[in-house]
Amino acid sequence: DIVMTQSPLSLPVTPGEPASISCRSGQSLLHTNGYNYLDWYLQKPGQSPHLLIYLGSNRASGVPDRFSGSGSGTNFTLEISAVEAEDVGVYYCMQSLQTHPTFGQGTKVEIK
Amino acid sequence: QVQLVQSGAEVKKPGSSVKVSCKASGGTFTKYAFNWVRQAPGQGLEWMGNFIPVYGTANFAQKLQDRLTLTADESTITAYMELTSLRSEDTAVYFCASPMDIVTSGLRQFDLWGRGTLVTVSS
Repeated sequence: DIVMTQSPLSLPVTPGEPASISCRSGQSLLHTNGYNYLDWYLQKPGQSPHLLIYLGSNRASGVPDRFSGSGSGTNFTLEISAVEAEDVGVYYCMQSLQTHPTFGQGTKVEIK
Repeated sequence: QVQLVQSGAEVKKPGSSVKVSCKASGGTFTKYAFNWVRQAPGQGLEWMGNFIPVYGTANFAQKLQDRLTLTADESTITAYMELTSLRSEDTAVYFCASPMDIVTSGLRQFDLWGRGTLVTVSS
């Protein structure tokens, strides 16, 4: 299974300021079709996770444009251009390249 | 908007089994891929396996393959996860998750999530 490593694991943020989360995979997630099979999920407190970004850089339906995903191969980044209070929760990256998906450990984002 | 509705919380004894259901509120059975993800208390997400109706096949995480059964019923668009020989470390919230449509999202893009089912294993 592909190991996914996120950093930082805890991220205190100030509303209105940008934030960034890194995700690294143990092997390349770039498929021969040109897509990177890396997704980002947010689990707000007390809720189920929901999809934010798919295939590395595509925002899911209804996701605000302050969220963006970038990267290729083994290094990926989720950026929030200006954090809002409702963005608190745990962010997970997940590789969907292999038959057995694997998640990163999660990054807990909280307001300072 | 399609929803995944899961069955209620369960309390089980060590060594027993649990069966959790996940019913889609609409849509087409063969467009789903029912994945199961669990989350132990205070921990991260762990993919357990999936059942793919269009193929009638299942895939399992290696650590669970001897204890896990995944099935689905087309008539009710309901997926089932059965875990046997329960132990305390199986205490977790169990989520079902699926793409909205495997044709556009692939098998492992989790557009839809259930609200989770808490399974507590305790003597």
